[in-house]
Amino acid sequence: GAVVSQHPSWVICKSGTSVKIECRSLDFQATTMFWYRQFPKQSLMLMATSNEGSKATYEQGVEKDKFLINHASLTLSTLTVTSAHPEDSSFYICSAGGRLMSSYEQYFGPGTRLTVT
Amino acid sequence: DAKTTQPTSMDCAEGRAANLPCNHSTISGNEYVYWYRQIHSQGPQYIIHGLKNNETNEMASLIITEDRKSSTLILPHATLRDTAVYYCIVRLSYSGGGADGLTFGKGTHLIIQP
Repeated sequence: GAVVSQHPSWVICKSGTSVKIECRSLDFQATTMFWYRQFPKQSLMLMATSNEGSKATYEQGVEKDKFLINHASLTLSTLTVTSAHPEDSSFYICSAGGRLMSSYEQYFGPGTRLTVT
Repeated sequence: DAKTTQPTSMDCAEGRAANLPCNHSTISGNEYVYWYRQIHSQGPQYIIHGLKNNETNEMASLIITEDRKSSTLILPHATLRDTAVYYCIVRLSYSGGGADGLTFGKGTHLIIQP
């Protein structure tokens, strides 16, 4: 159990275009989903937290108008990078939080590598 | 969440036990110790977590000192596929619906040598 998928696994886009990344919890309901970003040779940095049906909470320094998050259902969250620029090139990883058996845990997706040219 | 300190990198021979230390001297009484690992270009993978007692699952064992200021993750028989960055994170666990994102440090890059 506890499978989280992301789509696409990698994407190349031109500067100025928008890219949407999907995150799905396949076998459990995710009350909360998280989006992280990881630059080369660095650790994961939390970008935002979203609860199903409500607005996302963004970490300091993350532009909410640039990184649009939608969490419309308990199994799907999307991250849209709007007007992407080369500095947005990164590894984007989502995690889904949900209750499996007796504990509440977070499970990570495989990540999406975004390259903006 | 309390801060953790881990060695930057470690080597271990294939087939031997890999022991990864973590210091968390400022851990509070209701914070758990969690371990995740990240294989290159993949999302992090949950390994194990514990509060006070030692824990074991199919992947690893977690040994927490009595004063809870440090812990050790043990991979009993390391294989080449265990080469990854291992993150020790202390955080509150929760049984309710609320949750916080994880704060990742730099972790330990464990390299399993053939």
